[in-house]
Amino acid sequence: GQNIDQPTEMTATEGAIVQINCTYQTSGFNGLFWYQQHAGEAPTFLSYNVLDGLEEKGRFSSFLSRSKGYSYLLLKELQMKDSASYLCAVMDSNYQLIWGAGTKLIIKP
Amino acid sequence: GAVVSQHPSRVICKSGTSVKIECRSLDFQATTMFWYRQFPKKSLMLMATSNEGSKATYEQGVEKDKFLINHASLTLSTLTVTSAHPEDSSFYICSARDGTDHEQYFGPGTRLTVT
Repeated sequence: GQNIDQPTEMTATEGAIVQINCTYQTSGFNGLFWYQQHAGEAPTFLSYNVLDGLEEKGRFSSFLSRSKGYSYLLLKELQMKDSASYLCAVMDSNYQLIWGAGTKLIIKP
Repeated sequence: GAVVSQHPSRVICKSGTSVKIECRSLDFQATTMFWYRQFPKKSLMLMATSNEGSKATYEQGVEKDKFLINHASLTLSTLTVTSAHPEDSSFYICSARDGTDHEQYFGPGTRLTVT
């Protein structure tokens, strides 16, 4: 079966760094997405990785290892507004997104 | 660019009535649109995938006669929840893909409450 695993909840301190991990097992792979979702709102796109390595975009970076079925989202210089759920999604061989359950990130002052 | 709108943003209806939710791509042509449902504190659940001009493909367990999807143009898809019941109360989100890349652009979502 297809499976995406990510931690349910994480807590971090304002100004610090946090890494949210995602492991996956899917039928085929056409890229991995990270989305941010604030409570009561739709997801917003953060990053897309299809090749191994690190993609950096401002305070957010995303890493992919296809051989390990593993990705992480790294958030630096955390701000209170970063409190949200972070969703990992993998596009399978049919170009369909398989979603993880999301990681709720709580930022404390 | 790549803006997707949904209407209405919130709707309250009585049990047994039908509700239509519209999803529009405002600045691109959406060859494929997706409809998701999300219950509180749960991940997105794909309900169906629709390609312009053809019938929607429903995910297992989603009743196609209850959740009617129409994708009549490259910028509009509608989801009609027929004979709504309280258990249909949820956050419904559409997304669209323009066919040139794999990213899905999400609408703001529609909060449906059935009383």
